[in-house]
Amino acid sequence: QAVVTQEPSLTVSPGGTVTLTCGSSTGTVTSGHYPYWFQQKPGQAPRTLIYDTSNKHSWTPARFSGSLLGGKAALTLSGAQPEDEAEYYCLLSYSGSRPYVFGTGTKVTVL
Amino acid sequence: EVQLVESGGGSVQPGGSLRLSCAASGSTVSNNYMSWVRQAPGKGLEWVSLIYSGDNTYYADSVKGRFTISRHNSKNMLYLQMNSLGTEDTAVYYCASTSGWETAMTWGQGTLVIVSS
Repeated sequence: QAVVTQEPSLTVSPGGTVTLTCGSSTGTVTSGHYPYWFQQKPGQAPRTLIYDTSNKHSWTPARFSGSLLGGKAALTLSGAQPEDEAEYYCLLSYSGSRPYVFGTGTKVTVL
Repeated sequence: EVQLVESGGGSVQPGGSLRLSCAASGSTVSNNYMSWVRQAPGKGLEWVSLIYSGDNTYYADSVKGRFTISRHNSKNMLYLQMNSLGTEDTAVYYCASTSGWETAMTWGQGTLVIVSS
């Protein structure tokens, strides 16, 4: 069964750029995994930032973008703001009996 | 836009049962990919179960044989019947909906399940 791995924590300066990645133990992440990225702040439900690799939700700030990078799914935050401090999770879709697997999560600190 | 409201959480003793409900509005559960996702205290998100396209159902290994996902199309409701609960099932349970693999996912606000003696 697939294990989806993210960086445990990343720190970015205000106004800076950071890239989070999402890798699969089964190999290269492709568009066929329909990668999602979710943002979750303490005490809140997750919310969708990116779906289908690079599509933004209506509320997703322009500073967030999704892509495939080096065999992984990637979420890039360009021009970080204090309100971007949060936990970020990716989600990959797989064929077979376990269609969804969440990543381990990345805690982003803006400091 | 789809809105999801979970209910049915609470405290239960180990070995007990609980049924969670998710009321959907703005879209029909019968047309969507409906999931349950949980988050144990201080932990990450864990996909639990999925139902879509009729009666296609899937479960995480951790709940297979104990949990059952279902939906009532005319009531536009999603359910999760949880049996043989253990302390490891303590978590906030979220209902999530998407119209396909490649579309945005909508989340409910979650309902807390505590399994403790």
